[in-house]
Amino acid sequence: GAGVSQTPSNKVTEKGKYVELRCDPISGHTALYWYRQSLGQGPEFLIYFQGTGAADDSGLPNDRFFAVRPEGSVSTLKIQRTERGDSAVYLCASSLQPGGNNSPLHFGNGTRLTVT
Amino acid sequence: DAKTTQPNSMESNEEEPVHLPCNHSTISGTDYIHWYRQLPSQGPEYVIHGLTSNVNNRMASLAIAEDRKSSTLILHRATLRDAAVYYCIPRDAGNMLTFGGGTRLMVKP
Repeated sequence: GAGVSQTPSNKVTEKGKYVELRCDPISGHTALYWYRQSLGQGPEFLIYFQGTGAADDSGLPNDRFFAVRPEGSVSTLKIQRTERGDSAVYLCASSLQPGGNNSPLHFGNGTRLTVT
Repeated sequence: DAKTTQPNSMESNEEEPVHLPCNHSTISGTDYIHWYRQLPSQGPEYVIHGLTSNVNNRMASLAIAEDRKSSTLILHRATLRDAAVYYCIPRDAGNMLTFGGGTRLMVKP
């Protein structure tokens, strides 16, 4: 079956520009997560959705970062006024069960964002 | 979140068993122990998880210490495709996974 799909796979943008990164979760998965991974580091949590609402956005680094999931399926991570320090791989994951800690996460292969 | 300690790197020969250790001495009683791995240029991949009892699946086995302060991921016959970074993650009810640095496994032919 189809896994988590992220588009684009690569994005190069200039400092100060606005970018949108898209995530298509596995069909039927109600929980959706965004992570960011810098070179040589483990993934870092950004935000978690349960259905349409953001259940935990404590990992968003500042107000330039925003994510939506209007219909409880596809999600978009939006970054305003990009900075070179935003360069990283942005990973999306989904899981079947919205609650609890007994449900595996399924990750996409990420979007590599480069801010020049 | 419980803190974890994993070796930075390990090396194995192809077709030999590999035991990847993880210490999580501050784990709480309701945290599941999850293991993920990340191959180069890919997102993390779920491997296995458990609470108290040892677990087996087609990818690996998970041995959990009786006091739950440590666990070991066992790959029964390492292949070159198993070369990856392996993350041990005690997962609490807060829903997100908190990744540490993981163990980079290198497999020699």
